[in-house]
Amino acid sequence: NSKVIQTPRYLVKGQGQKAKMRCIPEKGHPVVFWYQQNKNNEFKFLINFQNQEVLQQIDMTEKRFSAECPSNSPCSLEIQSSEAGDSALYLCASSLDWGNQNTLYFGAGTRLSVL
Amino acid sequence: AQSVTQPDARVTVSEGASLQLRCKYSSSVTPYLFWYVQYPRQGLQLLLKYYSGDPVVQGVNGFEAEFSKSNSSFHLRKASVHWSDSAVYFCAVSMDSNYQLIWGSGTKLIIKP
Repeated sequence: NSKVIQTPRYLVKGQGQKAKMRCIPEKGHPVVFWYQQNKNNEFKFLINFQNQEVLQQIDMTEKRFSAECPSNSPCSLEIQSSEAGDSALYLCASSLDWGNQNTLYFGAGTRLSVL
Repeated sequence: AQSVTQPDARVTVSEGASLQLRCKYSSSVTPYLFWYVQYPRQGLQLLLKYYSGDPVVQGVNGFEAEFSKSNSSFHLRKASVHWSDSAVYFCAVSMDSNYQLIWGSGTKLIIKP
């Protein structure tokens, strides 16, 4: 069973508000991914880290999100100004190392509703 | 660009019956192939993955999948389903070039008593 902890489980925000969610990766996992899963089960890769360094991110994340994975603190993903289209399940996953041969362990997600 | 198709949005199977969930992918080279399961209010869990070798790969909880290069498919199978298998199953692919998962749209598995 995965030990990736995501908080909060549910988040409700108004349009234009900031929305921040956190992720504690499995102990010893330096690789962290964030994905967005919408109500149609469409997944969108958002960003990934190795240790504290951003390795890849999409344009949307770069422009509208603030994300970090500081050492000895939870990783976080924050939408600077929430939009209705941001309503989705945000999934954090961690891995022991970079590469497809390493299993990604997912948290249960943070479900964001933007009213 | 890679893509993944799960043609069945919903599959209903009687408990104890066999199961096949279909997955087809599009890629210029053989990617890493994965099956994940998502139970309600739980994180996605990896069932199995394939990259090379024996085209039939065994996973957890009695699941297996068969890779077919000629058909660009990676179908998931189970010989006898249990009510606890009710969940949404996702097929995904990934390339070493960017290590991002490309996901199918999922198949909801419903088990009839």
